[in-house]
Amino acid sequence: TQLLEQSPQFLSIQEGENLTVYCNSSSVFSSLQWYRQEPGEGPVLLVTVVTGGEVKKLKRLTFQFGDARKDSSLHITAAQPGDTGLYLCARDRGNKLVFGAGTILRVKS
Amino acid sequence: NAGVTQTPKFQVLKTGQSMTLQCAQDMNHEYMSWYRQDPGMGLRLIHYSVGAGITDQGEVPNGYNVSRSTTEDFPLRLLSAAPSQTSVYFCASSKTGSNTGELFFGEGSRLTVL
Repeated sequence: TQLLEQSPQFLSIQEGENLTVYCNSSSVFSSLQWYRQEPGEGPVLLVTVVTGGEVKKLKRLTFQFGDARKDSSLHITAAQPGDTGLYLCARDRGNKLVFGAGTILRVKS
Repeated sequence: NAGVTQTPKFQVLKTGQSMTLQCAQDMNHEYMSWYRQDPGMGLRLIHYSVGAGITDQGEVPNGYNVSRSTTEDFPLRLLSAAPSQTSVYFCASSKTGSNTGELFFGEGSRLTVL
């Protein structure tokens, strides 16, 4: 059983469309990180959210941490082919960082 | 800065062979970890270390050994490779290993066990 559930598993959209991916847990976590991974490379941190209800923006990406600190979402506005990749959320578990299975995003031009 | 360097990038082993995946970081990070990545399963933590001389198990430690004799290096050893260990392995480091610390990843090592 995944500690973190990510949905959808796969998303294929046209350039210019908007999309939202989700990360959910059955338990409260103190912080959550979002990473993006491109083929053949390691994941790279996009953002860390630590406060319930927090919203952070990174250009066309908007990250939200749920009020109850059990869920998070990533919204991309006007997706571009360069957004293609695997989006991973990760939560703390003591000294460990536990990852979800990820959402594969493909943006077609 | 080189960041996190993993070697080799590709390796093919026969069942029962042993090998070591090397990981080095030049950022003076205290925290280092090894993950494996399999399709549909995300990244799963194998072993981690909060500092030189200290290691601990992650979610999937069986079949793997680690050591941390220096701050810079964190090798992962497979003592007797099995086909189930076919995967892409990532080494990562973090300045503090706190629950908000950013993980810096290497480029990965793709291992195939026949």
